[in-house]
Order: sequence, then C-alpha cells, then structure tokens
Amino acid sequence: GAVVSQHPSWVICKSGTSVKIECRSLDFQATTMFWYRQFPKQSLMLMATSNEGSKATYEQGVEKDKFLINHASLTLSTLTVTSAHPEDSSFYICSAGGYLSYEQYFGPGTRLTVT
Amino acid sequence: AQSVTQPDIHITVSEGASLELRCNYSYGATPYLFWYVQSPGQGLQLLLKYFSGDTLVQGIKGFEAEFKRSQSSFNLRCPSVHWSDAAEYFCAVAMGFQKLVFGTGTRLLVSP
Repeated sequence: GAVVSQHPSWVICKSGTSVKIECRSLDFQATTMFWYRQFPKQSLMLMATSNEGSKATYEQGVEKDKFLINHASLTLSTLTVTSAHPEDSSFYICSAGGYLSYEQYFGPGTRLTVT
Repeated sequence: AQSVTQPDIHITVSEGASLELRCNYSYGATPYLFWYVQSPGQGLQLLLKYFSGDTLVQGIKGFEAEFKRSQSSFNLRCPSVHWSDAAEYFCAVAMGFQKLVFGTGTRLLVSP
C-alpha cells in the first residue's frame, strides 16, 4: 500500500497558539485526504475530507474556523489547529485516498497536547 | 442507519490460543470491508481487506477474515495468538467512495 507520513509525530503547544500538522503521501497521488481525530480508547472520528485544490468538507460539529485544512497538492495536506485549547488535545490521523477509491492509506498520527 | 458494530470492547486470550473478533455492519449496498490494527500511540496498519471474490481472505501476521453476507459479518480470526498481537483492532466498512465507517474497536489482551 501507499506510504503516508505525518509531521510532527508529537507536539506540545500553549493554549491560544496555533499548530500545523502536515500529512504527506510519499509514493501515491492522493486526490483525497482525510483527517480523523481519536480520543483515548475510542475509535476514529472523521473530521473532514479534502480534495486536491478544493475546499475541505467538514463533518457536522467540526468547527471549520478552528481546524483549517489545506490540500494544495496531490502529496500534501495540512491541518492547522487555530487558537488551540486543552480540549483540542487529541491524536490526529490523516489518510490518503485515490480517485474513486474505496481504500485509504493511513499516516502514523500526531499527538497534540495543549497546555 | 449505516453502522459498524464490534460487540466486544475487550478480549483476553492466552498466548498460542485462537482468536475471533466479531464485526457486524449495517449497509444496504455492497460493502468493502477492512480490518486494521493499532498499537498504542501508533497509526493504523491494514491487516486485510475484502472487496470481492473468495469470502475468506488472508491477511498479514497470520490473520484471516470471513465475509458472510447473510449475517452482515466480517469476523477476524487468528489460529495462534502471539504476545505481540496485543493491540486495538478496528473493523471498517467503506460505504461509498470517501466514506470509511469504523467500528468502536476491540482491545486484545494476551496473557502468558
């Protein structure tokens, strides 16, 4: 399967600051990228879906102004958590998918801790 | 409603014993089925998938799963569990393009 990387793997930031997480598809042209959030001992919750060159589609209840997603190229998507607060602390996982594909390739995740 | 159910939150098996993790789904069209494993603090690793054909699929690490359309199930099995198999296991169903629905996960504990 395709290889997807995330950077950073772990980040600590202070409340009120913003943090950017990168998701790269290393050997695969990802027409679609997905961002998930996972709370401890829970399943993955889809936050948003982004198609290359288009605005992201956010799931109900996800604040689009807080979680800014950019998918400027077929290999890179970014998630920016703006004005982060402790409740934003979580494990964020991205995945990449191809055009009209049912399969997604997952990154290793980024653990965000907001103090 | 479209959903994926993993009825077992935790399962404990002895090392060397067999294992079956249950997964049921509710979806009106042809499902595309996946099992993923997640070690603590890690991302998801694909164990196996079913799209079509033989309903018994083989995956990595000695795992297999069987699709039973009549029961809307896709149970994961392992004939002999190793201590390193202790992890969280997620069943997922692609319900259309760009829509992967996950179960709540089953935590596997392996006792010596």
